[in-house]
Amino acid sequence: EPEVTQTPSHQVTQMGQEVILRCVPISNHLYFYWYRQILGQKVEFLVSFYNNEISEKSEIFDDQFSVERPDGSNFTLKIRSTKLEDSAMYFCASSRDGTNNEQFFGPGTRLTVL
Amino acid sequence: GENVEQHPSTLSVQEGDSAVIKCTYSDSASNYFPWYKQELGKRPQLIIDIRSNVGEKKDQRIAVTLNKTAKHFSLHITETQPEDSAVYFCAASPYGNNRLAFGKGNQVVVIP
Repeated sequence: EPEVTQTPSHQVTQMGQEVILRCVPISNHLYFYWYRQILGQKVEFLVSFYNNEISEKSEIFDDQFSVERPDGSNFTLKIRSTKLEDSAMYFCASSRDGTNNEQFFGPGTRLTVL
Repeated sequence: GENVEQHPSTLSVQEGDSAVIKCTYSDSASNYFPWYKQELGKRPQLIIDIRSNVGEKKDQRIAVTLNKTAKHFSLHITETQPEDSAVYFCAASPYGNNRLAFGKGNQVVVIP
């Protein structure tokens, strides 16, 4: 069964550095998402992406964040200048269709900002 | 925006008993309610979902009920087994929207 994959599984970075988290969504899916989960807190929506553009973003997704689909398979989340509070588990998800449809999650990337 | 709350935060049940987890939501426009199961170190997996045009849905030992008037929905697991031990997340999504608003998660422990 196809799955969403994410790399790396764990990323450690220094405050102020840029990081890129990578995801490969399920191949016939058209909608892509990033969520994050700070330790002990809720899973929070960051952004959704469709047809090569952002379709929705949350208040968390400020100018420090960007997403890109650089080729036909990868979907990336970039954090330009990491802060301590960016430390979290970042989940990528994809869905075949848009509104109110099953979202399949990747295994997550644990980002630690020192 | 949508706010989802889950209760209880931890639930311990004897193997073979039933487990019930409740979630409440705030946005009456929400019409899609998935439940995810996350085992330790693994990805969240969708186990069941329900849309607002039905009140109950079953899949083998798992069922979800929805009360739109009260704005709450519940996950029911019958004949619990040790492999049901995991964190369970509920979520809600408003109509016309594809963002999921998650609850904080419930740790379910099935005692053999």
